[in-house]
Amino acid sequence: QVQLVQSGAEVKKPGASMKVSCQASGYTFIDPYIHWVRQAPGQGLEWMGWVNPDSGDTKYAQRFQGRVTMTRDTSNRVAYMELSRLTSDDTAVYYCARDFYVKNQGGAFDLWGQGTMVTVS
Amino acid sequence: EIVLTQSPGTLSLSPGERATLSCRASQGVPGNFLTWYQQKPGQAPRLLIYGASSRASGTPDRFSGSGSGTDFTLTISRLEPEDFAVYYCQHYGSSFTFGPGTKVDFK
Repeated sequence: QVQLVQSGAEVKKPGASMKVSCQASGYTFIDPYIHWVRQAPGQGLEWMGWVNPDSGDTKYAQRFQGRVTMTRDTSNRVAYMELSRLTSDDTAVYYCARDFYVKNQGGAFDLWGQGTMVTVS
Repeated sequence: EIVLTQSPGTLSLSPGERATLSCRASQGVPGNFLTWYQQKPGQAPRLLIYGASSRASGTPDRFSGSGSGTDFTLTISRLEPEDFAVYYCQHYGSSFTFGPGTKVDFK
């Protein structure tokens, strides 16, 4: 079955770090990028960055630079997102999502994990 | 960075009616790489449209996307009960910014 399954909910103290995992199955893991998107309670979607599962290359949204690290374990088909120096503003549902791109037609995030709720309190 | 604005914030309609959702970009969207998602409470977003007008696999044909440059539209020709949700547009490119969303709710 083609899916992304994320780790469970977490509660963190301010100043701590969090690490969410995203287990891929049913497709070629190293091919499409994995993105991370978060959504604060009652708010919209915010893109955080991507990791290339093949090379390990990353790109982060500017506002998370220096605080986020995205990695992957190709042997186990898992992507990770670690966010440090947490504040209450980081309370959100964190999603991983698979990249989908069609040359000259654009792309999207076509497969999403179920989301991981992280509460900073 | 491209900033996306969506209007209206909320659209109150009845089943069977036509919904027209707007997404405006602060500058031209390269390649018209504009994507639409649907999100229901407690669920992850679901891809509907990519490349401004291409339906994703499984997207019903009552959903259509149009537009180019800075102005894009998602149209739902006849609302079904399951279409009441929040809709986000997204720029797919060097950044992947989302619009603030339009909520389609019951009149």
